[in-house]
Amino acid sequence: DARVTQTPRHKVTEMGQEVTMRCQPILGHNTVFWYRQTMMQGLELLAYFRNRAPLDDSGMPKDRFSAEMPDATLATLKIQPSEPRDSAVYFCASGPPPTQETQYFGPGTRLLVL
Amino acid sequence: QKEVEQNSGPLSVPEGAIASLNCTYSDRGSQSFFWYRQYSGKSPELIMSIYSNGDKEDGRFTAQLNKASQYVSLLIRDSQPSDSATYLCAVEASNTGKLIFGQGTTLQVKP
Repeated sequence: DARVTQTPRHKVTEMGQEVTMRCQPILGHNTVFWYRQTMMQGLELLAYFRNRAPLDDSGMPKDRFSAEMPDATLATLKIQPSEPRDSAVYFCASGPPPTQETQYFGPGTRLLVL
Repeated sequence: QKEVEQNSGPLSVPEGAIASLNCTYSDRGSQSFFWYRQYSGKSPELIMSIYSNGDKEDGRFTAQLNKASQYVSLLIRDSQPSDSATYLCAVEASNTGKLIFGQGTTLQVKP
């Protein structure tokens, strides 16, 4: 049963610390998406990659967030420095070619910044 | 105006009834539409996709699409308590592969 995996599942950190979240997309999927979900804003797209190339990161605060895909099996999302307003659930999703818009979500990383 | 709009609910229906969930969108160029189910504390799960006007049925679920009216809906027949969840409508932004999600409608199915 192929699934998107994410680590860590939970993270509690203090303001100012660096946070790194990791995602392993489903094997064979060529598109990876990072989302953030909060009660107030719902599900927001932060960034996405196709064939490891970044296509759109317009949803991401550029000064503190960065997203990379060092290889086809790993995507990372970093926050440095973290702030309390970054507290949310961060989801990674992957999509298969050619219908990349059909996305399958990982279990999420629940981040709390104190 | 939000790009994808849903009534947040909660929508409450008795067990065995038909639940009707609605969604409107603003991008006339969108071609792909999806319904995701999200249980509390869990990740969104894809349950239906629809690309052409009309109805698409999958078990107890029927998705309906009307591109002229920019409207997509999800019907759940014979609703069960296990259907209680938040249902997210997602619309592909034209030719981008990006999905725009609505805020979701919370469905409560009462035994």
